[in-house]
Amino acid sequence: DVVMTQSPLSLPVTLGQPASISCRSSQSLVYSDGDTYLTWFQQRPGQSPRRLIYKVSNRDSGVPDRFSGSGSGTDFTLKISRVEAEDVGVYYCMQGTHWYTFGQGTKLEIK
Amino acid sequence: QVQLQESGPGLVKPSETLSLTCTVSGGSISNYYWSWIRQPPGKGLEWIGYIYNSGSTKYSPSLKSRVTISVDTSKNQFFLKLSSVTAADTAVYYCARERGGDHGAFDIWGQGTMVTVSS
Repeated sequence: DVVMTQSPLSLPVTLGQPASISCRSSQSLVYSDGDTYLTWFQQRPGQSPRRLIYKVSNRDSGVPDRFSGSGSGTDFTLKISRVEAEDVGVYYCMQGTHWYTFGQGTKLEIK
Repeated sequence: QVQLQESGPGLVKPSETLSLTCTVSGGSISNYYWSWIRQPPGKGLEWIGYIYNSGSTKYSPSLKSRVTISVDTSKNQFFLKLSSVTAADTAVYYCARERGGDHGAFDIWGQGTMVTVSS
């Protein structure tokens, strides 16, 4: 199984400040077609997960542009340029290159 | 707008089979991949498996021996059966959609249904 490791697991952030979440995979996520299937999901308290970013850096429609994804191979990052109150929740990375596996989740809270 | 709704018993006895239904409304079940994903209380997400509307399936290796996912395209529904359940199978179960070629980038999720395994 491909293991997805997120850090930190807990992320206290001051409103208006940036935040960054790291996601590392135990194997390269480059698929045979050349694409990299790394997705970021946000799960707000009491809600279902919501897709934010797919294929490393493609932001979904309706997702604020303060969210961005980057990375390659085995190292990936989700960045929030200026944290807002509505960003509180748990963020998961997920790889879809070798079956499907999720990271443990990073809980973002406001300081 | 496509919506997914999970349904099924909220309580299942140990060693029995967990059975859930996901109903797709507002769009066709055809030409998409449909997954089941679960989340134990206070824990992270685990993919269980998917089905394509043709009936082809893929399952998580860790659950493969106990999982069956099926589809009824005439009813716009797909189903999960998980056999020989234990307390470790207690979780919120979600159904989710992905477009072909998206490799797990689930764009629509159901609200989830809590299933407790207990005698």
